[in-house]
Amino acid sequence: AQKVTQAQTEISVVEKEDVTLDCVYETRDTTYYLFWYKQPPSGELVFLIRRNSFDEQNEISGRYSWNFQKSTSSFNFTITASQVVDSAVYFCALSLNTGGFKTIFGAGTRLFVKA
Amino acid sequence: ETGVTQTPRHLVMGMTNKKSLKCEQHLGHNAMYWYKQSAKKPLELMFVYSLEERVENNSVPSRFSPECPNSSHLFLHLHTLQPEDSALYLCASSQKTGGNTGELFFGEGSRLTVL
Repeated sequence: AQKVTQAQTEISVVEKEDVTLDCVYETRDTTYYLFWYKQPPSGELVFLIRRNSFDEQNEISGRYSWNFQKSTSSFNFTITASQVVDSAVYFCALSLNTGGFKTIFGAGTRLFVKA
Repeated sequence: ETGVTQTPRHLVMGMTNKKSLKCEQHLGHNAMYWYKQSAKKPLELMFVYSLEERVENNSVPSRFSPECPNSSHLFLHLHTLQPEDSALYLCASSQKTGGNTGELFFGEGSRLTVL
């Protein structure tokens, strides 16, 4: 069975702190895709990044970075020098190459960044 | 125009009403989705439409009825709903290639309250 676990329900930090959001996934498939989405208070989930299972290279985009480790089945997301605008719910998700249309979402981590 | 547009943004209805949620995507994608987001629950995939097929979650009650007249428009018809159906209903689209869904692009959601 496939599963995505985001153990952190809520995280609260002060502006300019670094924060890491954890994501652990389970699948027996060898080809799969991992995603992070951000859901600000306005409601829509915004796509942040997609990685495929064959590409373990870490990625950095501005203040965002992602650490993909197949050995621990983790795909963690770090925000450097957090800002109030980063306050949102962040979802990690998994889809399989043979999974049809199904994307499995984690429960989400609510991040509060205080000024 | 934003990529995925949902109307109405907010809807209050009685249990005997009939209403519809509308979604339109301007991204040229070949698949559209309805997700349900309830408090403290994971995102739940309700229905998927693509050029090839319609896929539904068998646990979705028949009081929810989807309609997809073309690849850019998706409706969710609601009738005789229950208070527990109150939730945020999110529409999404993606470009499905091969076996994978691809990243999802979401609308801002329709917040439904059933009295």
